[in-house]
Order: sequence, then C-alpha cells, then structure tokens
Amino acid sequence: KAGVTQTPRYLIKTRGQQVTLSCSPISGHRSVSWYQQTPGQGLQFLFEYFSETQRNKGNFPGRFSGRQFSNSRSEMNVSTLELGDSALYLCASRFTGRAGTDTQYFGPGTRLTVL
Amino acid sequence: KNEVEQSPQNLTAQEGEFITINCSYSVGISALHWLQQHPGGGIVSLFMLSSGKKKHGRLIATINIQEKHSSLHITASHPRDSAVYICAVVTGNQFYFGTGTSLTVIP
Repeated sequence: KAGVTQTPRYLIKTRGQQVTLSCSPISGHRSVSWYQQTPGQGLQFLFEYFSETQRNKGNFPGRFSGRQFSNSRSEMNVSTLELGDSALYLCASRFTGRAGTDTQYFGPGTRLTVL
Repeated sequence: KNEVEQSPQNLTAQEGEFITINCSYSVGISALHWLQQHPGGGIVSLFMLSSGKKKHGRLIATINIQEKHSSLHITASHPRDSAVYICAVVTGNQFYFGTGTSLTVIP
C-alpha cells in the first residue's frame, strides 16, 4: 500500500497570502489528522476529519480550516498568513475514527515558509 | 501548562548503551504513542499503548496508568537510533505532545 502523501513538500508564501495543503491518506483509511510543528511550540494538533466531518479541533484561530472529500483526501487552508505560520505541517491517517485504538501513519509533511 | 512532559530533553549515548526516555502526563488518556522523528521531518509511529508493555526489536515501551507515566527503552543503542523521540497522549479525540527527546548515539 502506498503511504500517506502530502503536496506540496515545500512552499514559500508572503504575509497576507493564503495557502492550501493537500493530504492523501493510506487507501482505506477514513481518518485524517493535521498537525503543526514549529521549533518553539513543538507538535500541535490542528484538527481531525473522519468521513468528511470534522471530529475535533485544536486551539488554532479560524484562519486555519480544513475539509475532507468523499475519497478521504483532505486539504487544509490557512488564510491571511502570518510569519508565525511558518512550520512543518504534517498529516496522519488511520483506519478508524477512534483515536485510542489505531496506529497513525504520518506523511512526510509540507514545509511552509512565510516571508 | 503542559499536559505531557518528557525527560531528558537531550541525550547523548555511546553505541551499545541502554537508553531510557521518560514521559509523564497529567490528563486521563485512552492511549499513549511513542513517535520517532528523524532529521528531515519524517515521523514514524513506534508504539501505541493503553496498558502494560510492548516490545519491537530493540525497543520496549511501558506504561503505568495509575502513575501516569511511560518509558521508552532502547537496548544496545546504535547510531541509526539517533532521532527525536516524542511522546503523545490521546484524550477524547485530542492529541497532546511532549516536546521531544533528542537522542544522539555516538559510534
């Protein structure tokens, strides 16, 4: 089975722009979670989608949004980019929507730089 | 306030040494994950635990639910074990992460 794929792998944007990142989960996995990793804050949970519905959301402003399509592919969008949004954005997929029961499989991440 | 605390933050070991990384958490959890992140960013899930102990090759993970504590052990460490090890706990459908332990194994 192919692993979790994320596109693009690297991205440079300027303040005020918006960005859309894409994640394709492992075939058959219905749950996709998104995480932000920065040197200062470490890994932080953004949100999780299961069967096209947002199941849970971390503590991020409304500029961060996401969606999931019927084929389980997911996108996350960040509007009005700020310098502090520079980070590695990781997505992870798992088979079920029950967070305590399945192993997560992580994608390689998208490294976003905001200038 | 950090829901998850890891220690040590940094660890340097000689090849062959036995290594222990600790994780303490303050919330009720349904599961705990140990993750490994190599330079370049790729994350691999090593273990998912809800009780007891798991072993995979030279890696052993234990969890004590009553004490809210987990340990990751690496036996006969090798330079390829050099990575950041991250503890993550699951409560409800939320993940909380430790800040990671950076391990360097010297040949």
